[in-house]
Amino acid sequence: EAGVTQFPSHSVIEKGQTVTLRCDPISGHDNLYWYRRVMGKEIKFLLHFVKESKQDESGMPNNRFLAERTGGTYSTLKVQPAELEDSGVYFCASSELAGYKEDTQYFGPGTRLTVL
Amino acid sequence: RKEVEQDPGPFNVPEGATVAFNCTYSNSASQSFFWYRQDCRKEPKLLMSVYSSGNEDGRFTAQLNRASQYISLLIRDSKLSDSATYLCVVNKSPSNTGKLIFGQGTTLQVKP
Repeated sequence: EAGVTQFPSHSVIEKGQTVTLRCDPISGHDNLYWYRRVMGKEIKFLLHFVKESKQDESGMPNNRFLAERTGGTYSTLKVQPAELEDSGVYFCASSELAGYKEDTQYFGPGTRLTVL
Repeated sequence: RKEVEQDPGPFNVPEGATVAFNCTYSNSASQSFFWYRQDCRKEPKLLMSVYSSGNEDGRFTAQLNRASQYISLLIRDSKLSDSATYLCVVNKSPSNTGKLIFGQGTTLQVKP
């Protein structure tokens, strides 16, 4: 079975430009998460979708970040306009909506974003 | 103060050694606890869940102390392939749905 996939694997852009990251979760997984790791810091939560609905977006740093999950399948995370401090690795994770069973979040390989 | 604190290391140990990592978490409402492993420039992968009763998976043993808000991971008979960063992770949900809170990670280098 295919795992979580992310595109692109690397992106180098200039400050002020726009970048869109894509995540394809494991098929059938209702939960989709975005996380970010900036240099020297721990991985931090950005937001959580359940199907197409935003369940928790408490980690989104500011309104330059826009996440969507139309149709409840893949998700995009747009950064507009990008700033230097947005550089880091953006991970997507997915999990089943397992109810009472312990769930596992499976991570994608990440998109390494560099803003110059 | 960080929600999950870990000693970043690095821990440099010879093959065959036993090594222990610890982490503490600040939020007593945390319900689910995990160790993830992350290889260089790769994604985090679940190593094992952690329970109060303690749990073992081969050479790996994890323990949770809720009273002290402390989580441990013991690796016995270290292999070269164990070299990685070990991430202590907590979740407020008992079913692990919802946001994961990560520690900064502890780096392990196993030397021949």
